[in-house]
Amino acid sequence: KAGVTQTPRYLIKTRGQQVTLSCSPISGHRSVSWYQQTPGQGLQFLFEYFSETQRNKGNFPGRFSGRQFSNSRSEMNVSTLELGDSALYLCASSQQDTYTEAFFGQGTRLTVV
Amino acid sequence: GIQVEQSPPDLILQEGANSTLRCNFSDSVNNLQWFHQNPWGQLINLFYIPSGTKQNGRLSATTVATERYSLLYISSSQTTDSGVYFCAGRMDSSYKLIFGSGTRLLVRP
Repeated sequence: KAGVTQTPRYLIKTRGQQVTLSCSPISGHRSVSWYQQTPGQGLQFLFEYFSETQRNKGNFPGRFSGRQFSNSRSEMNVSTLELGDSALYLCASSQQDTYTEAFFGQGTRLTVV
Repeated sequence: GIQVEQSPPDLILQEGANSTLRCNFSDSVNNLQWFHQNPWGQLINLFYIPSGTKQNGRLSATTVATERYSLLYISSSQTTDSGVYFCAGRMDSSYKLIFGSGTRLLVRP
């Protein structure tokens, strides 16, 4: 069974640009959540989707958005990139809408210059 | 909000030594998990352990939910055990995982 797949693995963007990251969950998993990891703030929750609905959102500005498609694949978008958005972005999938084990992808490392 | 404290923050061991990593929660949590972050950044699942004790080879974990802590034991450590270990859990009313700040482990040959 394939794991959680994130693309791309690495990205370099310029301040002011926007970026879209993709996450394909484990087959059969319907919940997808996103996390940002930085040296200063650690791992922080961005948002969570289940059946194309955002159920939870972390404390991030509106420049950070996401969506989930009918096949459970998810994308997150960051607009008007800032240097501080440089981070490792991790996606996790879970099987059900109840509290179950989360599995993470390899992450997308975003560098904003 | 809920706070997750991990200790120690850093740990250096000689190969073959044993260690215990601790995770304390300020409030009750569900779905407690332990992860190992590899050098490429991926979080590798070690244990899903809301309560009780589990073992997987040289690793074992114990969660005492009523006392709001979990322990990860590493026995006969190997250099490949090096990396950062995270614990994380969810509150009842939330779908998000709350992570500790991690324990950075270095195992020397």
